Amino acid sequence: DVKVTQSSRYLVKRTGEKVFLECVQDMDHENMFWYRQDPGLGLRLIYFSYDVKMKEKGDIPEGYSVSREKKERFSLILESASTNQTSMYLCASSLTDPNEQYFGPGTRLTVT
Amino acid sequence: AQTVTQSQPEMSVQEAETVTLSCTYDTSESDYYLFWYKQPPSRQMILVIRQEAYKQQNATENRFSVNFQKAAKSFSLKISDSQLGDAAMYFCAYRSAGNTPLVFGKGTRLSVIA
Repeated sequence: DVKVTQSSRYLVKRTGEKVFLECVQDMDHENMFWYRQDPGLGLRLIYFSYDVKMKEKGDIPEGYSVSREKKERFSLILESASTNQTSMYLCASSLTDPNEQYFGPGTRLTVT
Repeated sequence: AQTVTQSQPEMSVQEAETVTLSCTYDTSESDYYLFWYKQPPSRQMILVIRQEAYKQQNATENRFSVNFQKAAKSFSLKISDSQLGDAAMYFCAYRSAGNTPLVFGKGTRLSVIA
């Protein structure tokens, strides 16, 4: 079975802090994705990556950056956390073909 | 840009009954894929069913089936013999052909009443 893990289930940070969310997948997937999930808004794509050291902006990249130094790991970085970044963050990975995404358990981030 | 619309924020169904969740999408492409994902409370999102646009036959997975109407751009999910474990958020998603990200709807929260 594909396994996608995220470094924390729950995280509380203060405004202005730098926040790292880590995602690791164990199935040699080329593609990795970061979403945020908010009630009534569904899943919105922040960034995605098709290969090591490659990244593409999604629909809502402002305030976020990403890093993919190894194929299995995709990090989401909040350079200076703000209260409006309080949300559930979901990581996913997929092969190029078939492009079925497998999701991690999510990190619920609270910024106070 | 493609959009996915789930018009029912919440639905409920009696245990053992059948329920249909609606999804429509907007695209000008002819080749694409459609998905239904399930997110149980406090649990991971998992794929329920997928449909390739070039296939005329509706996909089925055990108690889950879809009604894919390509001309109408409609992709509804039918859950038969509903079980308590079916209670979850359900997301409809679209993907263009090629290596592109998914576009998700806003979700439908399904409650199952014992």
